[in-house]
Amino acid sequence: EDQVTQSPEALRLQEGESSSLNCSYTVSGLRGLFWYRQDPGKGPEFLFTLYSAGEEKEKERLKATLTKKESFLHITAPKPEDSATYLCAVQSRGHALNFGKGTSLLVTP
Amino acid sequence: IAGITQAPTSQILAAGRRMTLRCTQDMRHNAMYWYRQDLGLGLRLIHYSNTAGTTGKGEVPDGYSVSRANTDDFPLTLASAVPSQTSVYFCASSEDVSRGYGYTFGSGTRLTVV
Repeated sequence: EDQVTQSPEALRLQEGESSSLNCSYTVSGLRGLFWYRQDPGKGPEFLFTLYSAGEEKEKERLKATLTKKESFLHITAPKPEDSATYLCAVQSRGHALNFGKGTSLLVTP
Repeated sequence: IAGITQAPTSQILAAGRRMTLRCTQDMRHNAMYWYRQDLGLGLRLIHYSNTAGTTGKGEVPDGYSVSRANTDDFPLTLASAVPSQTSVYFCASSEDVSRGYGYTFGSGTRLTVV
């Protein structure tokens, strides 16, 4: 059975203070690992898909990396507008995405 | 604007009542999904449809049913609502069930069963 564990559950950063969010996974035949951002009262918004170990993708202050057991979402010099819940999900064998419980990020000025 | 429309935005429902949550997409995506999101439990899959005319059960299907008569619409029905079905419901779609297609999510329906 696929398992996705995200840590920490919550993270508070000062503006400009870089950090990383972790997503550990157990899956039989990884088809893709996904990162989403979710703002309060809204649906998740797609950020990245990673397919194989060693792959990296970047978007503005965010960079996602993937190993065979985990993925990291690195946030460089965050701003208050980066505050949101970040969700990690895995897809295996063509099945629907299996989501972790998310990391709630708060960036203070 | 292309995307997913969910209705209603929110609803308070008496226990035992029947309700259908509506979901419509205009992207001609083949696959559609219903998730519920609960504090501390994250997003859990209720039902899915890989293509029009087919449906399947997810992780938490009990008490829910779906249909997929055409590509665009994927309604979720609660036959007889119970308080444990209080949740935020998200509909999502993807171009295809094959590898790597990201999902587009609707804005959600907040349902309270009293």
